[in-house]
Amino acid sequence: AQSVTQPDIHITVSEGASLELRCNYSYGATPYLFWYVQSPGQGLQLLLKYFSGDTLVQGIKGFEAEFKRSQSSFNLRKPSVHWSDAAEYFCAVVPGVSGGYNKLIFGAGTRLAVHP
Amino acid sequence: DTEVTQTPKHLVMGMTNKKSLKCEQHMGHRAMYWYKQKAKKPPELMFVYSYEKLSINESVPSRFSPECPNSSLLNLHLHALQPEDSALYLCASSQDARRGDTQYFGPGTRLTVL
Repeated sequence: AQSVTQPDIHITVSEGASLELRCNYSYGATPYLFWYVQSPGQGLQLLLKYFSGDTLVQGIKGFEAEFKRSQSSFNLRKPSVHWSDAAEYFCAVVPGVSGGYNKLIFGAGTRLAVHP
Repeated sequence: DTEVTQTPKHLVMGMTNKKSLKCEQHMGHRAMYWYKQKAKKPPELMFVYSYEKLSINESVPSRFSPECPNSSLLNLHLHALQPEDSALYLCASSQDARRGDTQYFGPGTRLTVL
């Protein structure tokens, strides 16, 4: 079945530590890939996106993500986490099927907690 | 400016009430979206408007009625809602409705149905 999987529901890291949030998708064609962040009670903010080309994508707030076709993954990374990064992170895809429309399909989300 | 605004921030309504949610963007985007997000769940698409015409309805019950009066405004009219409709309603917009066009989200309206 077509899906977006974020295996980690909760992650806790110490401030200053590195971070990697996992995302896997199962679509036949390479979809359009996004990472959004949502602070409590807020809307979603786009961190970065991948359509094609260089598989390492830089985003805002010091985040980056790497697309790996062989693993159907699009993991989000940050070298040094700040307390303000505590939030819910959603991986999302728009399936790359012809005739499809611009429907974002979200993973279940990963809630990040940051310890001082 | 990548701002999408939504009003009100919070709304409490009874099951017999009629209310409306409003969304506005001034980025010149021609596609607008409504999403529903239940607590601790990801957002789910409800409607897509492209060039002020409804292009996608994701089998949403008729008690939710979208309206796009012009290219900058999107409304969601609510009538005879159920308590299970309580959620965060997010509006988004994109340059066009082409697959992959980046969607920019508003802060949402938190709806409680009593």
